[in-house]
Amino acid sequence: DGGITQSPKYLFRKEGQNVTLSCEQNLNHDAMYWYRQDPGQGLRLIYYSQIVNDFQKGDIAEGYSVSREKKESFPLTVTSAQKNPTAFYLCASSIAPRDSGSLVDTQYFGPGTRLTVL
Amino acid sequence: GNSVTQMEGPVTLSEEAFLTINCTYTATGYPSLFWYVQYPGEGLQLLLKATKADDKGSNKGFEATYRKETTSFHLEKGSVQVSDSAVYFCALSSAGNKLTFGGGTRVLVKP
Repeated sequence: DGGITQSPKYLFRKEGQNVTLSCEQNLNHDAMYWYRQDPGQGLRLIYYSQIVNDFQKGDIAEGYSVSREKKESFPLTVTSAQKNPTAFYLCASSIAPRDSGSLVDTQYFGPGTRLTVL
Repeated sequence: GNSVTQMEGPVTLSEEAFLTINCTYTATGYPSLFWYVQYPGEGLQLLLKATKADDKGSNKGFEATYRKETTSFHLEKGSVQVSDSAVYFCALSSAGNKLTFGGGTRVLVKP
């Protein structure tokens, strides 16, 4: 079955530690995204990548880092510089835009990772 | 910049009641519009979408029409079930494949 997997589902870390969240997709999508969701709020874009070895900051990139060494994988590292890291993190993927001005294709989401920093 | 505003919840309904969730947007250009649904503890699932004015998206008994004149994309369902209890997100696209989400509306359907 094609889809997006995120692991682990729940993650606990001590304050001051870096932590890496996994996101893998086998949909052959070029574009991948990371969002953060806080209780009772919508999603905010952290980083996105439209092609391997390239990524851009989203609206709330401070305190986070990503890499895109493989098409299938887009790991997110929550660094100790992130002031309030406890949240639900969602990864998504889509077919990349056909050109820089085109409209978006549908984004498909993984099940999410709930990170709690103690 | 782009923004999406949707009605705050929670919305509590009885089974078989009519559901409406209002969504309005502000955007430059001609965005695509989406409704996503999130069940407890899970990621988001695409419910329906519309890519141009007057398009109607529909799925699982839910409908929404892209109204450019009122910049709205209200979600409706004629007869809800307990299994429709979830959080519903309205979203719009922008160039570069970026989605802007509303704050979400929690819906609770009681038997």
